[in-house]
Amino acid sequence: GAGVSQSPRYKVAKRGQDVALRCDPISGHVSLFWYQQALGQGPEFLTYFQNEAQLDKSGLPSDRFFAERPEGSVSTLKIQRTQQEDSAVYLCASTLSSSGSLADTQYFGPGTRLTVL
Amino acid sequence: GNSVTQMEGPVTLSEEAFLTINCTYTATGYPSLFWYVQYPGEGLQLLLKATKADDKGSNKGFEATYRKETTSFHLEKGSVQVSDSAVYFCAALVDKLIFGTGTRLQVFP
Repeated sequence: GAGVSQSPRYKVAKRGQDVALRCDPISGHVSLFWYQQALGQGPEFLTYFQNEAQLDKSGLPSDRFFAERPEGSVSTLKIQRTQQEDSAVYLCASTLSSSGSLADTQYFGPGTRLTVL
Repeated sequence: GNSVTQMEGPVTLSEEAFLTINCTYTATGYPSLFWYVQYPGEGLQLLLKATKADDKGSNKGFEATYRKETTSFHLEKGSVQVSDSAVYFCAALVDKLIFGTGTRLQVFP
């Protein structure tokens, strides 16, 4: 596909369950970003990868959140022991930049809507 | 801390009306500035950007000028169409992209 894809598009979890959200960036894109978008809010940065290296994870809200990109392409955001406050849309974005410039255009996926009951 | 503030919506306009969506930022230095748009059922798309003071970004009839004196990056369009109905997000790149809360635009025929 031509764009960033994310799966699943919708996820309902019971409180306490673990979830895994997948992001497939545009082929060849070096940098990958995860954002959390609560209802009625703008996206908030969670973490950033350049290839397989996680360069910034300052936005992860707690140690229940974990992200990986082991081969520098597909990334997974894992949330352990989900809580109701984790309910949000999780967005993934990628950029082509090989220089690591964050000013390059970020291409966003459609997001995964997580609902924790 | 770094932040982006944009006008609350919804903004409701008739087709062919003039549009302004205000955006101001608080940041150290001179961040790159962006407007993203989210059409119903779709992901965020970059609409336009400006990387330094006095730059004007433009796309699809939309324009925004980077004003460092007022730390603003207001979005304008001279004549909106029904197809412009969407949520618009202003963002500033500091060490990461910081988004405003979004402004919903509704254009009626």
